[in-house]
Amino acid sequence: KQEVTQIPAALSVPEGENLVLNCSFTDSAIYNLQWFRQDPGKGLTSLLLIQSSQREQTSGRLNASLDKSSGRSTLYIAASQPGDSATYLCAALEQGGSEKLVFGKGTKLTVNP
Amino acid sequence: NAGVMQNPRHLVRRRGQEARLRCSPMKGHSHVYWYRQLPEEGLKFMVYLQKENIIDESGMPKERFSAEFPKEGPSILRIQQVVRGDSAAYFCASSPPANTEAFFGQGTRLTVV
Repeated sequence: KQEVTQIPAALSVPEGENLVLNCSFTDSAIYNLQWFRQDPGKGLTSLLLIQSSQREQTSGRLNASLDKSSGRSTLYIAASQPGDSATYLCAALEQGGSEKLVFGKGTKLTVNP
Repeated sequence: NAGVMQNPRHLVRRRGQEARLRCSPMKGHSHVYWYRQLPEEGLKFMVYLQKENIIDESGMPKERFSAEFPKEGPSILRIQQVVRGDSAAYFCASSPPANTEAFFGQGTRLTVV
């Protein structure tokens, strides 16, 4: 059974700092790994998707990496801004017939001005 | 291209009533997924549907919950005889047939009083 863990559960940093959010998964049989952002009381915004054959994806100040063999993914945020404050979720898309995402519980990021 | 549309955004029901949650997928998307987010919990998969077919309902509670995605119209998640424990945010996601990136709606926040 796939389990996804995110560490840390919460992170508070000053504006301008570079930071890394961690995600680990127990079963390497995944189609892809997706990073989302969730603001309080809102839906999920897709940030980056890494296919299982890829090592990393970049979008603006965000860079996500994937190491299937070790069951790890990281989300790197450069030059953080107060507007980056949100909960970041990673989710692994399981192989094996059902296209369901298995989510971690998220990292709540606060960027202080 | 409008995103995934869910309605209502907020729903209040008394114990024992029925709750109907609607989801219109993005244009061109034929795969619909429902997830539930309980307070302080991660998102949990409930059901995966394609038009007129339930593909995987392994995450659905055995009683009171049902889902459909008819040939015409939105996908419906129905909860009969709601109880306080059903209070949660319910998210719908959709994806196109040949791509496994999931796009999420804003969610329906169900409160049972």
